[in-house]
Amino acid sequence: AIRMTQSPSSLSASTGDRVTITCRASQGISSYLAWYQQKPGKAPKLLIYAASTLQSGVPSRFSGSGSGTDFTLTISCLQSEDFATYYCQQYYSYLPITFGQGTRLEIK
Amino acid sequence: QVQLQESGPGLVKPSETLSLTCAVSGYSISSGYYWGWIRQPPGKGLEWIGSIYHSGSTYYNPSLKSRVTISVDTSKNQFSLKLSSVTAADTAVYYCARVGSSSWYEAWGQGTLVTVSS
Repeated sequence: AIRMTQSPSSLSASTGDRVTITCRASQGISSYLAWYQQKPGKAPKLLIYAASTLQSGVPSRFSGSGSGTDFTLTISCLQSEDFATYYCQQYYSYLPITFGQGTRLEIK
Repeated sequence: QVQLQESGPGLVKPSETLSLTCAVSGYSISSGYYWGWIRQPPGKGLEWIGSIYHSGSTYYNPSLKSRVTISVDTSKNQFSLKLSSVTAADTAVYYCARVGSSSWYEAWGQGTLVTVSS
C-alpha cells in the first residue's frame, strides 16, 4: 500500500496567517491526490482533487500543488472557519486508496 | 444536489456482522459513478473500505476484503455494507460517499457510529 505522511501533525496559527501543510507519498502518485477538511463531528469535505483543482464552492484562499511524491495544501489567509483537521488522499493506487494521518490546525 | 444518509444498528456484538445502508437522494445510482464506504475509528484517521459501481463491480481494501461485502440496490437507490466477524477494532464512524470521476470522494453522508461491544 502507498503510505501517505502529512506534516506537521498539528499546527497552531492565527486568523490572517498563511499556512502550508505537506503530504508525502511513499512512491510516485503523479497528481492523483485529494485534500479534505474535517470539522469535529462532521464528515470530511473535499477541497481539492488532482493535486491542484479546487472543488466547486471552495474558497480561493485554498490551493494545492505538487506532483510525484510531494504535495502541499496552502491556505493563504486563515479564516476562523478554517480551523479543522486536514487529510490528504492518494488515488493513484486504488487497492487500497490511502489517506494521510491528518493535520490538526488549531487557533494560536 | 446529491445527498447520502447512512442507517443501521449502532451496536453490534463481537463476531457478528455489521450491516449498514446508504440511501441516496438527488441522483440516480443507475446513472453512474462509483459509491463507497470509509470509516474512522474514534479520534483516529480515515480508512477506505471499498467501493461499488451501479453494475455491481466492486473494489475492496485488501486488509478487509475477506470480511467485506458491498452491494447495490438500484431499485431503492441505495447501497449497503456488510462486515463480518467484527471485533472492537471495527468500532468507528462509518461514512458512505460518492466517488468522483477518478476516485476522490466528492459527497459524503453525515456518518454513523457503530460500536462493537457485548
